[in-house]
Amino acid sequence: RKEVEQDPGPFNVPEGATVAFNCTYSNSASQSFFWYRQDCRKEPKLLMSVYSSGNEDGRFTAQLNRASQYISLLIRDSKLSDSATYLCVVNKGGGSYIPTFGRGTSLIVHP
Amino acid sequence: NAGVTQTPKFQVLKTGQSMTLQCAQDMNHEYMSWYRQDPGMGLRLIHYSVGAGITDQGEVPNGYNVSRSTTEDFPLRLLSAAPSQTSVYFCASSRKGQGRDSPLHFGNGTRLTVT
Repeated sequence: RKEVEQDPGPFNVPEGATVAFNCTYSNSASQSFFWYRQDCRKEPKLLMSVYSSGNEDGRFTAQLNRASQYISLLIRDSKLSDSATYLCVVNKGGGSYIPTFGRGTSLIVHP
Repeated sequence: NAGVTQTPKFQVLKTGQSMTLQCAQDMNHEYMSWYRQDPGMGLRLIHYSVGAGITDQGEVPNGYNVSRSTTEDFPLRLLSAAPSQTSVYFCASSRKGQGRDSPLHFGNGTRLTVT
């Protein structure tokens, strides 16, 4: 089992739709979790950290489920500008802080 | 506030040539790392450093060398370029600990082609 797994997609949704991505991780000792956004041929940029209690930033909501070892990202009212690849990042935990990246989920928002 | 600065942005090498990709950060981050990104492969860790004078190998270290003589700089050396090293390279840094308030900050990337 890969350490961090994501559905590569692409998720093809119309503007205004709600879309959700999941990311599963294998190391139960993992301690910190992030979602990054990467536009084509650009560097990844932090979208949001994922807090244990879940957190929201505008149209974006992140959730953590430690029991099932997954994190999720919900995007409401999708915009054309949301089209990008979304990377799930998990630190290895157990005293190590080396982050592990998922391969990313591609989102295409169309008019 | 420059953040993470990578140079060059683009580079073309011939097989067997050597070169150094530069990375500098001005955030006093302890942790620095190099990734390569290939289509369909995601980001793969090449080397990383948890502080000046300390480096370690990541997932794909072969053919690359690093050093960390200062907190700010973390250059990546290609010893003898091969076509398999054609890729996009990203440098990233963070505060030590990778807690939820210590995310990675990335440079703009270097697009390397080896012919």
